[in-house]
Amino acid sequence: GQNIDQPTEMTATEGAIVQINCTYQTSGFNGLFWYQQHAGEAPTFLSYNVLDGLEEKGRFSSFLSRSKGYSYLLLKELQMKDSASYLCAVMNTGFQKLVFGTGTRLLVSP
Amino acid sequence: DGGITQSPKYLFRKEGQNVTLSCEQNLNHDAMYWYRQDPGQGLRLIYYSQIVNDFQKGDIAEGYSVSREKKESFPLTVTSAQKNPTAFYLCASSIYPGTGFQETQYFGPGTRLLVL
Repeated sequence: GQNIDQPTEMTATEGAIVQINCTYQTSGFNGLFWYQQHAGEAPTFLSYNVLDGLEEKGRFSSFLSRSKGYSYLLLKELQMKDSASYLCAVMNTGFQKLVFGTGTRLLVSP
Repeated sequence: DGGITQSPKYLFRKEGQNVTLSCEQNLNHDAMYWYRQDPGQGLRLIYYSQIVNDFQKGDIAEGYSVSREKKESFPLTVTSAQKNPTAFYLCASSIYPGTGFQETQYFGPGTRLLVL
C-alpha cells in the first residue's frame, strides 16, 4: 500500500525556524516533492529530492532519507506570508504518479 | 506567458446535471492530470493523460469522464453519477517522459464545484 503522514497543523512565530516532517511508505520511489498551497489557491512547487541529503533553496530547505522513508521541509526566518499548507508528495516508479499527503497547515503569528 | 488556466473559478451544479471543467496549458507539456481536493484529505487523482487521444483512470475515476483531443486541453466532465461532487478541482501538467525532476507537476488555479 501507499501511505504518507504529515502533522495536521503547526504554529510558529515570525522570524523563527520550523521543520515540517513527512514519512512515507510507497510501493516504489522516484522522488519526493514539497508544495506550498495558500488557502483557496493552487499548490506551487517548492522542492524535489531524489537522493539522500539536504537541498537548500533560499529560506527553504528539504531533506530526504530514503532508507528511513523520511523527509522534512525546513523554513527559516518565517514570514507572515509563509502561513499556508505544505504538501508532501511521493512519485512512484513506472508512470510518474504523485501520491499526496494530507498536508500540514502552518500558521505564522507575529 | 506560459501557464495553466482553469475555468470557471466557481461552478454550480444542479441535481442530475453534467458539468464540464476546462483546463488549458501552453507549457507544451505532454502529461496532464485532474485532482480532487476535499477538506482534511490529500489531493486524489481522478484521471491522467500522457499523450493526446490517450488517458487513464486514477484512484477515484467513478462518476467522471475526460477527453484529450488536443495537447493543450484536458476537460473534465463531472457526471450525474458522481454523488458527492462538491470539491476543489485542480488540473496539472508535466513534461513526459523525463527525469523525476522534469516531471514536476504544475497546477492551474482550480475550480470550486458546488451542488445546488
